[in-house]
Amino acid sequence: RKEVEQDPGPFNVPEGATVAFNCTYSNSASQSFFWYRQDCRKEPKLLMSVYSSGNEDGRFTAQLNRASQYISLLIRDSKLSDSATYLCVVNMFGSNSGYALNFGKGTSLLVTP
Amino acid sequence: GEEVAQTPKHLVRGEGQKAKLYCAPIKGHSYVFWYQQVLKNEFKFLISFQNENVFDETGMPKERFSAKCLPNSPCSLEIQATKLEDSAVYFCASTSGTLNTEAFFGQGTRLTVV
Repeated sequence: RKEVEQDPGPFNVPEGATVAFNCTYSNSASQSFFWYRQDCRKEPKLLMSVYSSGNEDGRFTAQLNRASQYISLLIRDSKLSDSATYLCVVNMFGSNSGYALNFGKGTSLLVTP
Repeated sequence: GEEVAQTPKHLVRGEGQKAKLYCAPIKGHSYVFWYQQVLKNEFKFLISFQNENVFDETGMPKERFSAKCLPNSPCSLEIQATKLEDSAVYFCASTSGTLNTEAFFGQGTRLTVV
């Protein structure tokens, strides 16, 4: 079983729609959670860190559920420019294990006019 | 530097030739990661370093792939005797490794083996 699982999509939604992505992780010792965005084989760029209390940045809301071991990303009022692949990234950090960074496969979003 | 710098941007090699990719992490970052992304597929972890020490190399095809991070030099990823299936974009990322800090990615090196 992969450490981090995402629905690969693609999600095709019209402009203005609300879309939600989920991601599950298998290691309960995971400590930090992120959503990255990747455009057309460019480098991934941080979209949002995900905090236990949940966080919002404009049209984007990220939530973490530690009990169920999943994180989510909600995009409201989708724009054409939101079309990209969204990567769920989970890391673990420990004095013995050091720093490990685990990626989901990515969820592809296409926003259409 | 303030960004992860990868060189070259593009590299074309004939099958069987050697390929060497470079990555200069952000100054002060102690962890470096290499990933391989074939077409638009998932990121395949290759290797990570904590400073100049190999931290995790479980993703490396060891018979042909090697990597180093030496002090005062860019990190490198070398592929001996490239194969067609090595064609991919190779991304390097660095992070300070402290809790809740994200990793920063370089722009990638696109390797084409012909």
